[in-house]
Amino acid sequence: EVQLVESGGGLVQPGASLKLSCVASGFTFSDYWMSWVRQTPGKTMEWIGDIKYDGSYTNYAPSLKNRFTISRDNAKSTLYLQMSNVRSEDTATYYCTREEWAYYGYIDYVMDAWGQGASVTVSS
Amino acid sequence: DIVLTQSPALAVSLGQRATISCRASESVRSSMHWYQQKSGQQPKLLIYGASNLASGVPARFSGSGSGTDFTFTIDPVEADDIATYYCQQSRNDPLTFGSGTKLEIK
Repeated sequence: EVQLVESGGGLVQPGASLKLSCVASGFTFSDYWMSWVRQTPGKTMEWIGDIKYDGSYTNYAPSLKNRFTISRDNAKSTLYLQMSNVRSEDTATYYCTREEWAYYGYIDYVMDAWGQGASVTVSS
Repeated sequence: DIVLTQSPALAVSLGQRATISCRASESVRSSMHWYQQKSGQQPKLLIYGASNLASGVPARFSGSGSGTDFTFTIDPVEADDIATYYCQQSRNDPLTFGSGTKLEIK
């Protein structure tokens, strides 16, 4: 069974840094691109970015790329999200997702598995 | 960024058909996916590539469309289907989501 388990969330002060982790099991982690997605308290879903299976390439939403960094440790089957200079608008539930490839005339990637989420609250 | 527009809510009677639409601000070809999110849970993939049923998902769920206009259908609706349904495009970065359609039972 595919499992993704996030951790590292909590209450953090504005301007601080926070690192989230996502431990994967039930599949060969090093074969998959992985993503982070967040959901605000108002339920808006926002894609943060993704990372190639070997960690050699990352891709970010332009609005977040200067403050957020995605990395991975394939030996530990773990995905990371480093958040810096956090703001109140970063308050959200953060999900890690697995990207599975699909083909329907062209290759596409689909977020086919999601973790249960890590809650982050930015407040003084 | 590609904007995805969904209606906010839909009320349907049990056993009837529920149809949710998602319109993209530009063509996403077939790169449209649908997720179900029940209260307090993570999203779950139901439909990928506009019309492909994800593994283990009942055939009551279906999707159609291409380009800019997409439809997600539940037929028949069951009580367990109470949830918010999101469309999401993967044609262009950044990946974007619709605002969600909350399914309610009449």
